[in-house]
Formats: sequence, C-alpha cells, structure tokens
Amino acid sequence: GAGVSQTPSNKVTEKGKYVELRCDPISGHTALYWYRQSLGQGPEFLIYFQGTGAADDSGLPNDRFFAVRPEGSVSTLKIQRTERGDSAVYLCASSLNQGDTEAFFGQGTRLTVV
Amino acid sequence: DAKTTQPTSMDCAEGRAANLPCNHSTISGNEYVYWYRQIHSQGPQYIIHGLKNNETNEMASLIITEDRKSSTLILPHATLRDTAVYYCIVRRSNYKLTFGKGTLLTVNP
Repeated sequence: GAGVSQTPSNKVTEKGKYVELRCDPISGHTALYWYRQSLGQGPEFLIYFQGTGAADDSGLPNDRFFAVRPEGSVSTLKIQRTERGDSAVYLCASSLNQGDTEAFFGQGTRLTVV
Repeated sequence: DAKTTQPTSMDCAEGRAANLPCNHSTISGNEYVYWYRQIHSQGPQYIIHGLKNNETNEMASLIITEDRKSSTLILPHATLRDTAVYYCIVRRSNYKLTFGKGTLLTVNP
C-alpha cells in the first residue's frame, strides 16, 4: 500500500504569496501531523489532527499558518503572506490512532520563499 | 518531554555494530524512549521504542540503563544504507514527537 504522500515535492514562491501544501495520509489513519524542518535541525511539531479536528495547533508559528482536514483524510497546510523565514521542509505524518507507537512520515515538501 | 543529549556525529565500518548513545537524565517514570532515523531527503522513519526493558526488533536493539537515564541504540550489522541522522526522543505516550538535532551516523565501506 501507498505511504504518506505529499505534494508538491518542491515549491518555490515569492515573498508575500500564498501557498498550499497537501498531505495524503495512509488510508484509514485517523491521526495526522504536520512538522517543519529547517536546515540542520530536527523536525518541529506544528499541528495534530484527530479525525477532522485540530486537536493541537500549538506549534503553528503565527496566524499566517493554517491547516485543514475537512473529511478526516487529506490535509492542507496553508501559509499566507509567505516570508523568507518560512523556507523549510514541511513534513506530514500519520498514524492509525492517537498515541500509536509508530508515525509514518512522508518525504516532505521543500518550500523556498525568494 | 524530557531533553535528550546525543553526539553530533559518529562513524562505523560496514558490517560492524553501530552503538548510538543517548542521555536522558531528566526522564520521568512514564516517558518512553523512541528512536527514529532520517535518511537524506526522506522523512523520519520509526525504528524502535521502549520504557524500561531492553527491546529488539528486525531493525535494531534498544538497551535502556536500569536508572533509565541513558540508552543505546544498536544496529548489529551496519550497512551503507544505515547512513542517516538518528534521533533519540523521550515521549510521554502522547501524539507529539520532540526531535533534537540527532546523531549523524556515517557507515563507511
């Protein structure tokens, strides 16, 4: 079966533009997570969904960042008015249930803001 | 989650055992030790986890000291494909993983 799929794999955008990053979790996984990874650092937690609802969005850096998961499957991370500091790899992960021992990560979307 | 300390980098010869240490001296009684690894340009991959007892699976072994203040991940026969950043994470059985900078393991031919 397919793993976690993220699209696009690379995105270059101009400062100030709006971007959407998509995550297709493993089928049947109810828990979905977004992380952000800057160069040379480990991934940092952004937001966690259980089903359709955002159970914890405490990692979102500011109100320019927003994520949705309307049908409890695909999720979209939305960034408004992008800044150069938003450049990073955005990773999505899913697990069958909350608290499962293993989270499965996608390959990430590399976002570059120029 | 408790903080972890890992060496920045390590080298290992192909075919030999790789022993990756992790200090977690502030770990609480209900916090698990998890290991993930990240191969270049890929997302992190779960390896193994444990609470008190040593654990082994098809990928690795995890040795946790009796006082639980440190642990060692063992790859018994390292291959070139094991070259990756290895993250030791202390997790209180919830949904969030707190990654540090990890250890870059380089397996040399």
